[in-house]
Amino acid sequence: GAVVSQHPSRVICKSGTSVKIECRSLDFQATTMFWYRQFPKQSLMLMATSNEGSKATYEQGVEKDKFLINHASLTLSTLTVTSAHPEDSSFYICSATLAGVVDTQYFGPGTRLTVL
Amino acid sequence: RKEVEQDPGPFNVPEGATVAFNCTYSNSASQSFFWYRQDCRKEPKLLMSVYSSGNEDGRFTAQLNRASQYISLLIRDSKLSDSATYLCVVNAYGNKLVFGAGTILRVKS
Repeated sequence: GAVVSQHPSRVICKSGTSVKIECRSLDFQATTMFWYRQFPKQSLMLMATSNEGSKATYEQGVEKDKFLINHASLTLSTLTVTSAHPEDSSFYICSATLAGVVDTQYFGPGTRLTVL
Repeated sequence: RKEVEQDPGPFNVPEGATVAFNCTYSNSASQSFFWYRQDCRKEPKLLMSVYSSGNEDGRFTAQLNRASQYISLLIRDSKLSDSATYLCVVNAYGNKLVFGAGTILRVKS
């Protein structure tokens, strides 16, 4: 149980375009989802915390207008990278929790974004 | 200072060796501690939680030293399949996990 999927697994896009990444909890309802970004040889960095039905909470230094997060249902959160640039190329990973239990996060397989 | 610091390695060890990793954290109020494993280009997977009394899971032993604010992971009888990046993770503020950059382990035959 507790499976989280992400789509797409890999995306290559041109600079200036927007990219949407979906994160789904397949067999449970996730009141809270987290979005992380990982650059090569660096740690996972939390970008934002997403609670179903409310606005996401962004970490310091993460532009909320550039990284749009929508958590419209208990099984789906989306991250849209708007006007992507090469420096946005990274590995984006989501996680989901049951009842907001932060210590127990189920991670999606990640989305590798390459912006040309 | 980083919130969670790890030696990046790599640690190159032969099969069957015992290897230990340490990690330090900066927030003394941190409550929960974990070791995750991450394979190349994959998501992190929970290896084990770390408790104050120390805990063991098969070949893996984790220890927490709150006074010195460090966490350790010991792997005995290393297998080729143990090759991965080991991430030290701390719930430092109660509402999010903070990840270290990871320690690379390479087990060679």
